[in-house]
Amino acid sequence: GAVVSQHPSWVICKSGTSVKIECRSLDFQATTMFWYRQFPKQSLMLMATSNEGSKATYEQGVEKDKFLINHASLTLSTLTVTSAHPEDSSFYICSARVTEGSYHNEQFFGPGTRLTVL
Amino acid sequence: DAKTTQPPSMDCAEGRAANLPCNHSTISGNEYVYWYRQIHSQGPQYIIHGLKNNETNEMASLIITEDRKSSTLILPHATLRDTAVYYCIVSSSGGYQKVTFGTGTKLQVIP
Repeated sequence: GAVVSQHPSWVICKSGTSVKIECRSLDFQATTMFWYRQFPKQSLMLMATSNEGSKATYEQGVEKDKFLINHASLTLSTLTVTSAHPEDSSFYICSARVTEGSYHNEQFFGPGTRLTVL
Repeated sequence: DAKTTQPPSMDCAEGRAANLPCNHSTISGNEYVYWYRQIHSQGPQYIIHGLKNNETNEMASLIITEDRKSSTLILPHATLRDTAVYYCIVSSSGGYQKVTFGTGTKLQVIP
């Protein structure tokens, strides 16, 4: 299947610092990517839809100034957690739906980024 | 997107078929049924999808009822590596369409 990568796979930071997470589609172009957050023993929660060349669309309750999303190219979206606090500690996962080639909108996910804020 | 209902957990003996049900009674005509699974601490993995007809691939089979209000994912010979949370999702086509996850079914494959 199509491959989505994330970097870093895990990060530990101090409270108040900002952390950037990268999401890349390795073998396809993604005009739209999605960012999810997952707390322990819970399901994935959609945070925002990242659109190439335009502003992201945030889900209700997600602070756009806190979670900055940039989708500057067809293969890269970044999520920056600004002024991180311990409650932002979570598993962050990106994904993209593939519409080209033999695919039919299947969604492929990155391996996730484990963020721990001390 | 239509809402789905899945049992919270299921057990299956290793080597036996695992049948995971999903109810999606409010599915609309242009919505597909997608199945994903998430092994602990990993990103979800695409398994299979379908619209009306039953589908099979190297990982699983998908059986969709004629009225499309429910479906069953079948893992023909479950292995310990199939232990995961399985998510059934209905979504219309279009790469921009967002996908929201329910609580899924925790499948435990027992030796």
